[in-house]
Amino acid sequence: DAKTTQPPSMDCAEGRAANLPCNHSTISGNEYVYWYRQIHSQGPQYIIHGLKNNETNEMASLIITEDRKSSTLILPHATLRDTAVYYCIVRGTSYDKVIFGPGTSLSVIP
Amino acid sequence: GAVVSQHPSRVICKSGTSVKIECRSLDFQATTMFWYRQFPKQSLMLMATSNEGSKATYEQGVEKDKFLINHASLTLSTLTVTSAHPEDSSFYICSASDGQGTGTDTQYFGPGTRLTVL
Repeated sequence: DAKTTQPPSMDCAEGRAANLPCNHSTISGNEYVYWYRQIHSQGPQYIIHGLKNNETNEMASLIITEDRKSSTLILPHATLRDTAVYYCIVRGTSYDKVIFGPGTSLSVIP
Repeated sequence: GAVVSQHPSRVICKSGTSVKIECRSLDFQATTMFWYRQFPKQSLMLMATSNEGSKATYEQGVEKDKFLINHASLTLSTLTVTSAHPEDSSFYICSASDGQGTGTDTQYFGPGTRLTVL
């Protein structure tokens, strides 16, 4: 089973920030939080990952709570092309298999 | 980031035939690759872990004699769907990591292969 829980769907107005939550209450000390997204009929695209500190890159920001039991992916200025299913995953090493949950279907609305 | 390719991107075949799908890491070496299957409106389901030079590890419920995996080199893994039937029609996706097995290594996914069995 997936180690994370996410809301099944969210809407966001174009140009506004999209905040996608993820619960991972059973995360262990050596596991990282990864976010991917999948646009319809494409392979998942890597977005960002982190261990315990907040992270930012050109695509998004990742906020991890101090107890590491939850995190939030922030798309600062959502566009229509950000409409996709977003997956939050916890994983130790890259040799560890990744189990996908159902993810959050984000719809960016004009 | 690193690039993973898949070939073909889409294939249509008759029931009973075998189909081979290739997964390549284009600019890095990958000792471990993963194969997933995705049915419409569902999440990705892990099928197997492909290890270079050794036998693949299959997830529970996945028939290893039906889904043959060969990881012959550090840049190529193949998935062969043998004696395909319409219920095998799905979106098959592979992934690979460009790292050394640490938690910071990113897994990159291929674009997927759409298999339709008539």
